[in-house]
Amino acid sequence: AQKVTQAQTEISVVEKEDVTLDCVYETRDTTYYLFWYKQPPSGELVFLIRRNSFDEQNEISGRYSWNFQKSTSSFNFTITASQVVDSAVYFCALSERSSGDKLTFGTGTRLAVRP
Amino acid sequence: DAMVIQNPRYQVTQFGKPVTLSCSQTLNHNVMYWYQQKSSQAPKLLFHYYDKDFNNEADTPDNFQSRRPNTSFCFLDIRSPGLGDAAMYLCATSRGGFEGSPLHFGNGTRLTVT
Repeated sequence: AQKVTQAQTEISVVEKEDVTLDCVYETRDTTYYLFWYKQPPSGELVFLIRRNSFDEQNEISGRYSWNFQKSTSSFNFTITASQVVDSAVYFCALSERSSGDKLTFGTGTRLAVRP
Repeated sequence: DAMVIQNPRYQVTQFGKPVTLSCSQTLNHNVMYWYQQKSSQAPKLLFHYYDKDFNNEADTPDNFQSRRPNTSFCFLDIRSPGLGDAAMYLCATSRGGFEGSPLHFGNGTRLTVT
């Protein structure tokens, strides 16, 4: 069965600090997809990134970067120079080819960025 | 902008009184999902439609039903809401047939049961 673990329940940082959100997954499929979503206080889940299991290249988008390592089944998310607007709950999620597009979410990490 | 719209944003209902939540989309996606998210928890999939085909999750209570009259609209009906059904309900869409297609979420309906 697929499973996503986000061990960090809450993280608090001061603005401009870098912060890394951890995600560890379990799957038996060889083809799968990993996602990060952001959920601000307004409630909407905002799609941030998708990686497939065959592409281990790290990705950078502005202040956001993602480190995908199959050897450790991890897909970590780093925010550089955090800002107050980054405060939100961040969910890591997994979908497997065998399950279609059904997402299994981790329990989320609540990030608070203090001014 | 193409989007997923949920109405109402906040819904209050009485214990046992049927309630319907609505979702519409302009993305022309053929898959629509309903998730339930309780406070400080991950979203939990209730069911989804792939075109007109309804797919219920095994642990979704019978109290929850859904209708999809056309591509653009999907409804969540709670026949007899209990206090435990108070939650945020999230509608999402995706392009079926494209592996790993990301889900696009609406901004949710927060349901209160009194």
